[in-house]
Amino acid sequence: QQQVKQSPQSLIVQKGGIPIINCAYENTAFDYFPWYQQFPGKGPALLIAIRPDVSEKKEGRFTISFNKSAKQFSLHIMDSQPGDSATYFCAATKDSSYKLIFGSGTRLLVRP
Amino acid sequence: EPEVTQTPSHQVTQMGQEVILRCVPISNHLYFYWYRQILGQKVEFLVSFYNNEISEKSEIFDDQFSVERPDGSNFTLKIRSTKLEDSAMYFCASSVGTHQYFGPGTRLLVL
Repeated sequence: QQQVKQSPQSLIVQKGGIPIINCAYENTAFDYFPWYQQFPGKGPALLIAIRPDVSEKKEGRFTISFNKSAKQFSLHIMDSQPGDSATYFCAATKDSSYKLIFGSGTRLLVRP
Repeated sequence: EPEVTQTPSHQVTQMGQEVILRCVPISNHLYFYWYRQILGQKVEFLVSFYNNEISEKSEIFDDQFSVERPDGSNFTLKIRSTKLEDSAMYFCASSVGTHQYFGPGTRLLVL
């Protein structure tokens, strides 16, 4: 029940494409869902986060879609660029805990 | 922009030795965490720390591990007797609330 399942494991898109990464969770107590971007040899960097009271959040080229009834959320990267090539992790936690449960990660490659 | 810093960036040690990984969280943050990432795998929670005590720990965080905030700025993770399977990237993170900010990590290799 503590797991967060992430797919796909890897993704290749052309520059300008819209990669979509999906995550699913089981624990309905989770109430905070961040996405992290990680470049090789670096720590995860917070990209964008959402709470279940909204269905969508946009920050620049990054959008989270949230489906509370399906217990799923996804990251869309608009107009993807080669510099977006990185590993993306979804995560979940609840306010009473702050312990982040990470998905398994998606390695994104954006071809020029 | 304030950052979480970690030292050393790399640490090589012999099995059975003690290691201390150091972190300087962002100065106004109240919550501190350690996570680890075995090569190619997902990031795993180890421990959270608030108000000078452990608030939560995972099953990975056994008696070989300890954390300390020895002064107003540093936050340390000690592994008392390292095992080969402790080889991983260790990340420190800090937060005011739910937004956690990660440091660059310490790559620990146990031989």
